[in-house]
Amino acid sequence: SQQGEEDPQALSIQEGENATMNCSYKTSINNLQWYRQNSGRGLVHLILIRSNEREKHSGRLRVTLDTSKKSSSLLITASRAADTASYFCATDSGGFQKLVFGTGTRLLVSP
Amino acid sequence: DADVTQTPRNRITKTGKRIMLECSQTKGHDRMYWYRQDPGLGLRLIYYSFDVKDINKGEISDGYSVSRQAQAKFSLSLESAIPNQTALYFCATSDGTGSGDEQFFGPGTRLTVL
Repeated sequence: SQQGEEDPQALSIQEGENATMNCSYKTSINNLQWYRQNSGRGLVHLILIRSNEREKHSGRLRVTLDTSKKSSSLLITASRAADTASYFCATDSGGFQKLVFGTGTRLLVSP
Repeated sequence: DADVTQTPRNRITKTGKRIMLECSQTKGHDRMYWYRQDPGLGLRLIYYSFDVKDINKGEISDGYSVSRQAQAKFSLSLESAIPNQTALYFCATSDGTGSGDEQFFGPGTRLTVL
């Protein structure tokens, strides 16, 4: 079963705009990770946030985590066409790096 | 060169055939994983291995088996392939030493079972 549900399923924006994706999960977690997948290719790790953290930044990425609501959001600022991809959240509940992935958000950034 | 490689990249096979997907890594990681991805779904864990002597079933292990031949190699077998095993298969590795919890993915194998 999927741990994470992502919202929206698809998002279409113009270059320069910000993109926000949300992830909700069901059980308590050790950490939550975000990955990017370009069409049909392997996933690439973007950022990890631990359960005792509330916000984390990496370049144009900002991740928040609200453990009371069991939710996380990924913000991509000043998006570029190259950001076009699917984005997945993944949760590690046991601390053994056994990840459970969400269903993903497909982001399309138009020039 | 890629740190995590998978062979073959594409495979078409027939129902009932045995097939093996191979994964090799040069990252020196102890932990290796096999996932499958179906359209519109995220990745689901098939099997995982924390070292050469440790093999564990994941969420959807029925119909699959694995072999960890060495630290660097982890293969996935479909003993008797069926059409609903048509999917994109990914191998991944992670450090497991506490220095980082992220996983590193191979490029995937697209498997079609006719």
